[in-house]
Amino acid sequence: KNEVEQSPQNLTAQEGEFITINCSYSVGISALHWLQQHPGGGIVSLFMLSSGKKKHGRLIATINIQEKHSSLHITASHPRDSAVYICAVRPRSGDQFYFGTGTSLTVIP
Amino acid sequence: GAGVSQSPRYKVAKRGQDVALRCDPISGHVSLFWYQQALGQGPEFLTYFQNEAQLDKSGLPSDRFFAERPEGSVSTLKIQRTQQEDSAVYLCASSFSPLGVYEQYFGPGTRLTVT
Repeated sequence: KNEVEQSPQNLTAQEGEFITINCSYSVGISALHWLQQHPGGGIVSLFMLSSGKKKHGRLIATINIQEKHSSLHITASHPRDSAVYICAVRPRSGDQFYFGTGTSLTVIP
Repeated sequence: GAGVSQSPRYKVAKRGQDVALRCDPISGHVSLFWYQQALGQGPEFLTYFQNEAQLDKSGLPSDRFFAERPEGSVSTLKIQRTQQEDSAVYLCASSFSPLGVYEQYFGPGTRLTVT
């Protein structure tokens, strides 16, 4: 049983395209994180959300708590956005994070 | 440096060897987490420390895995009698808040290959 499901698993886009990555989860959460993982394993936290929408540069993250769904959008995608994007949720109780398996994004020039 | 550091970055061990993986969290961070990430998978929780106290070790896959954080800063994840299924990237993350309620900062990971 996977508490966090991401789609798509793999995504190839042309430079400049608008990209959407989806995350659905099955547990009640206190927060949801979007993470970016580059080749070599380094992970960077992009957003932490508990409601609504956040924007940082070309990245936008939204969450719908009632539907247990979040989306990460990348506008005007660029080859340097190529990475694995991971959704992670923090349940209301407990200290664990549950991670999705990630979406591997490749942006072609 | 200001970030979380881990060492070694890469480790090759023969099956049956013991290994020790080190995590240096951001100074002052209360919470420290260890995760195991198999190839092509998302990270999976191993264990959590709040200062020097190991409050949750439910994710440790077997009694061959042992973690400590004796002074509430540096942590070591030890794997005894390594097996091939232990091959993975081991990620450490720290947070200034208890339970990592706010941002978690990840280290670069240690890639362990057991041959």
